[in-house]
Amino acid sequence: AQRVTQPEKLLSVFKGAPVELKCNYSYSGSPELFWYVQYSRQRLQLLLRHISRESIKGFTADLNKGETSFHLKKPFAQEEDSAMYYCALSTTGGFKTIFGAGTRLFVKA
Amino acid sequence: DAGVTQSPTHLIKTRGQQVTLRCSPKSGHDTVSWYQQALGQGPQFIFQYYEEEERQRGNFPDRFSGHQFPNYSSELNVNALLLGDSALYLCASSLSSGRSGSAYNEQFFGPGTRLTVL
Repeated sequence: AQRVTQPEKLLSVFKGAPVELKCNYSYSGSPELFWYVQYSRQRLQLLLRHISRESIKGFTADLNKGETSFHLKKPFAQEEDSAMYYCALSTTGGFKTIFGAGTRLFVKA
Repeated sequence: DAGVTQSPTHLIKTRGQQVTLRCSPKSGHDTVSWYQQALGQGPQFIFQYYEEEERQRGNFPDRFSGHQFPNYSSELNVNALLLGDSALYLCASSLSSGRSGSAYNEQFFGPGTRLTVL
């Protein structure tokens, strides 16, 4: 079965604290993993993708094939990081993308 | 470039009716994917269109159909509407790497069409 699981619906942290948004996936092929973000009153947009191995706005994500996880991390959360975060998996060829249910991150001052 | 545009913004229909939603992709993009997002859920993949053909389909009944035009714009049609079809419908465009596709291509999302079925 193809599935993306984000176990936390809501994550609340203080400004400056580390943050980790969890994502686990199930896919028999070789997936490509993404994190998308939706800020208040904005469109869903790509935050980062596994293949790029980049850090965007201080966020990083490491693909762990053994644990089938792609957790999103940031060492020091900022208030502007408050948003809805979706983990997503693209199947071979990128013809289909499966999203998790999302985690709302709230960074408190 | 206005990016991905969708129309209408909101729509109210009654059970059994039919609806057509429209999407114009970002300039230069040739691939359009449609998603259904119910309240509190992530987007669920409906189907993807490339070269005016449905290339991949998610777990949605045949009541959901689509079309892509030569200018790459796309329509999503839903027949015999059910209460459960009430959701935000998102369109996303991307630039394909040909028929073999590419999982690496970023999708750009539109603002969505909010469909309410009464």
